[in-house]
Amino acid sequence: NAGVTQTPKFQVLKTGQSMTLQCAQDMNHNSMYWYRQDPGMGLRLIYYSASEGTTDKGEVPNGYNVSRLNKREFSLRLESAAPSQTSVYFCASSHIGTGDGYTFGSGTRLTVV
Amino acid sequence: AQSVTQLDSQVPVFEEAPVELRCNYSSSVSVYLFWYVQYPNQGLQLLLKYLSGSTLVKGINGFEAEFNKSQTSFHLRKPSVHISDTAEYFCAVSDPSSNTGKLIFGQGTTLQVKP
Repeated sequence: NAGVTQTPKFQVLKTGQSMTLQCAQDMNHNSMYWYRQDPGMGLRLIYYSASEGTTDKGEVPNGYNVSRLNKREFSLRLESAAPSQTSVYFCASSHIGTGDGYTFGSGTRLTVV
Repeated sequence: AQSVTQLDSQVPVFEEAPVELRCNYSSSVSVYLFWYVQYPNQGLQLLLKYLSGSTLVKGINGFEAEFNKSQTSFHLRKPSVHISDTAEYFCAVSDPSSNTGKLIFGQGTTLQVKP
């Protein structure tokens, strides 16, 4: 019953450092998504992967890269962190076409100093 | 492009009072509509959804929402709130014909239930 698992839960980076946020789902969903949540701005889509082997930019992709490693795993990489990337990051997965909506992970709270 | 507007950023209400959280969307095509709830320091969980059929949709924890196509609205209601309903609520829309499954979220409404 794990659903969507994100690691780490918390991270503090210095400006210019890099890191990878990990996401894995065990529901056999075909699509996966990375969002960032900032106060008053709701959730904004960073990147998504509609199916294994494909990735596409969302609304706010600058400063990020992604890898769909296999059907289960979708990672988000910050190559050179900036204070503007301080946010809460959520991974989600879904099965396109079912209307079921997303299953979300519990989030990663990232602070860049 | 689709967009979602949640008309209130914060809604304070006393316990056992009714509440309505407002959501409007912009789309000229058919839509799927969702409400999610986020409790403090947690991820988002699905409250209810509208795909088709009856315009009144019932969800978990006593919440319901009404789809109004002419008003392009999907307002969330509860007749009597509890302290435990204090959370942030997000409205979201997607295009059923899309091959991406993307959800577009509103800015969120913080429901503050006071004793």
